[in-house]
Amino acid sequence: GAVVSQHPSRVICKSGTSVKIECRSLDFQATTMFWYRQFPKQSLMLMATSNEGSKATYEQGVEKDKFLINHASLTLSTLTVTSAHPEDSSFYICSARQGNVAGELFFGEGSRLTVL
Amino acid sequence: AQKITQTQPGMFVQEKEAVTLDCTYDTSDPSYGLFWYKQPSSGEMIFLIYQGSYDQQNATEGRYSLNFQKARKSANLVISASQLGDSAMYFCAMSPDTGRRALTFGSGTRLQVQP
Repeated sequence: GAVVSQHPSRVICKSGTSVKIECRSLDFQATTMFWYRQFPKQSLMLMATSNEGSKATYEQGVEKDKFLINHASLTLSTLTVTSAHPEDSSFYICSARQGNVAGELFFGEGSRLTVL
Repeated sequence: AQKITQTQPGMFVQEKEAVTLDCTYDTSDPSYGLFWYKQPSSGEMIFLIYQGSYDQQNATEGRYSLNFQKARKSANLVISASQLGDSAMYFCAMSPDTGRRALTFGSGTRLQVQP
C-alpha cells in the first residue's frame, strides 16, 4: 500500500526555537496533505490542509504564523513550529491523499514534539 | 459541520471473542466516508476499514467488519476472534465527499484484549 513517512519521529527542543517536521509521500503524488495534532489521551484534531503550490488552509484557532506549512512539491509537505513553547508539546501527524479515490487516505508515523 | 461520537472510553474483551466498538455520526453532507483506525502505543495510525455513504453492502476487511446503519447514523466496528495484538486505541472518523477531504475523529475507544 501507499506509504507516508514523517521525520523526525521524536524531537526535543528548547523554548523559543523553531522545529521543522517533514511529511513525504514515498510512492505516490499527494496534491493534498493534512496536518493533525494530538495531545496526550485525546483525539486527533485537524490543524490545516496543505495544498501543493498554494497556501495552506488553517482550521479555526490555529495560528498560521506559528505553524508554518509549506507544500512545495507533490511528495513533500513541511510543518514548522516557530518559537515553540511547552504548550506546543504534542504529537503531530500528517496524512496524504492518493489521487482522488474515495477512502484513500494514508498517515505518517507521527512526530512527537517536546518543548522544554 | 460533522460530529463523530464514540461513547465507550474503554472496552475489555477475552481473546478469541468478538467485540463491537460503537460509533455514531452526524453530518449534513449528502455523501461522506466513514473510517476506522487503530492507534497502538507507538502512535501510528493504522487504517482498518472504510465505508462510503452510498455503499450498499457493509465493508469487511479480514477480521474487521463495519456495521453501517445509515438511518441510525451509526458505523460500528466489529472485530472477530480478538487477538492480544488488537489491544490499542480505536478511532472512528468521517470525511465529506466520500472520504476525499480531511477527517473528523471521534474521541476513541481503548480496547484491551485479555488472555
